[in-house]
Amino acid sequence: DTAVSQTPKYLVTQMGNDKSIKCEQNLGHDTMYWYKQDSKKFLKIMFSYNNKELIINETVPNRFSPKSPDKAHLNLHINSLELGDSAVYFCASSRNRGGGNTEAFFGQGTRLTVV
Amino acid sequence: AQSVAQPEDQVNVAEGNPLTVKCTYSVSGNPYLFWYVQYPNRGLQFLLKYITGDNLVKGSYGFEAEFNKSQTSFHLKKPSALVSDSALYFCAVRENSWGKLQFGAGTQVVVTP
Repeated sequence: DTAVSQTPKYLVTQMGNDKSIKCEQNLGHDTMYWYKQDSKKFLKIMFSYNNKELIINETVPNRFSPKSPDKAHLNLHINSLELGDSAVYFCASSRNRGGGNTEAFFGQGTRLTVV
Repeated sequence: AQSVAQPEDQVNVAEGNPLTVKCTYSVSGNPYLFWYVQYPNRGLQFLLKYITGDNLVKGSYGFEAEFNKSQTSFHLKKPSALVSDSALYFCAVRENSWGKLQFGAGTQVVVTP
């Protein structure tokens, strides 16, 4: 069973398009995240949701909009895609905000290529 | 503000030799420290964590890490490296249990036969 699953795994699209990446976790975790990994492998947090509530919103262009219909899902919608959005996007989840078991579990990533 | 640094872009080691990947951190409160490994075209896999207790933490695949509060370090170690340990390793810090999980820049480990 896949703990954190993202779809699609690869996404190639043209500039200006709107696209979505879906993420689901079956771990029963309360907190979910989106990270962006750039071409130099640097990982930067974008958003974090706890029980469907947005708790971290880094300085991300407002073309990026997360949506959490329930605590098991955190989707990422991107409007008006730009070349600079090309990266690998990782979804992750962790058990809860408090307590010691706060390691995050990551999905396999979505490689987004904007042409 | 919290930060985490991995001073080495790449570490080269011969198979069978000890492996060390360095990490230093800066937080205002209590640090929650993590190591992750990323294989090519894969997601990040959790290796180990330090929350409290013993400074020496043991994790997956024979890895361990030592928390040093005075030096604000959390170096990853393996006594005898394998070629299959070649991967990208990330140190991460969370300030207290609900702070954001912030990653270092990553260290590429290359283990040669």
